[in-house]
Amino acid sequence: EIVMTQSPATLSVSPGERATLSCRASQTVSSNLAWYQQKPGQAPRLLIYGASTRAAGTPARFSGGGSGTEFTLTISSLQSEDFAVYYCQQYNNWPLFTFGPGTKVDI
Amino acid sequence: QVQLVQSGAEVKKPGSSVKVSCKASGGTFMNYAGSWVRQAPGQGFEWVGGIVPSFGTINYAQKFQGRVTITADESTSTVFMELSSLISADTAVYYCARAPSSYDAFDIWGQGTLVTVSS
Repeated sequence: EIVMTQSPATLSVSPGERATLSCRASQTVSSNLAWYQQKPGQAPRLLIYGASTRAAGTPARFSGGGSGTEFTLTISSLQSEDFAVYYCQQYNNWPLFTFGPGTKVDI
Repeated sequence: QVQLVQSGAEVKKPGSSVKVSCKASGGTFMNYAGSWVRQAPGQGFEWVGGIVPSFGTINYAQKFQGRVTITADESTSTVFMELSSLISADTAVYYCARAPSSYDAFDIWGQGTLVTVSS
């Protein structure tokens, strides 16, 4: 099983600031990496797939990068609606999909 | 716009079974891959299993093998997950999610179904 880790566990930032979240895979997942945003009481929402492609409706302030085992999600200028938990997920090792433990972005 | 609409919350006794449904409203599951993912209270996500209805392909996470059954009803564009021999650790929100194929990210999620296992 591919183990996904995320850092930091919590990221405290102010509105307007830049936030960079990290995700690491225990073995290569190529570019088969997605990022999801989850707000309290809601289902996850796909933000990024293919490591760097924004999903439909994802604002341009969100960008993804990396390949292989190291990935980043950058939010260029945090808006109030961006405070949430962010999860990475690998879908390279089908059907053994695995998720990271999440990074909480708070004020 | 396709929406995935799941059945309502369930409270079950240990040792019993639960069956959760997920209907594609405004679209279909049949040309896509459907998965079930669970999230225990305050925890992260765990993939339970998935189905590609058009190919009849079904896969389960090893942890749930023998306890989970995923099926699909083409006529109603609905996917089902049945989990048996429930224990308290199965208490979680169960989400269905759709992907364009088995090798893609989950682009559409259901609203989630809370399954509580308690004596």
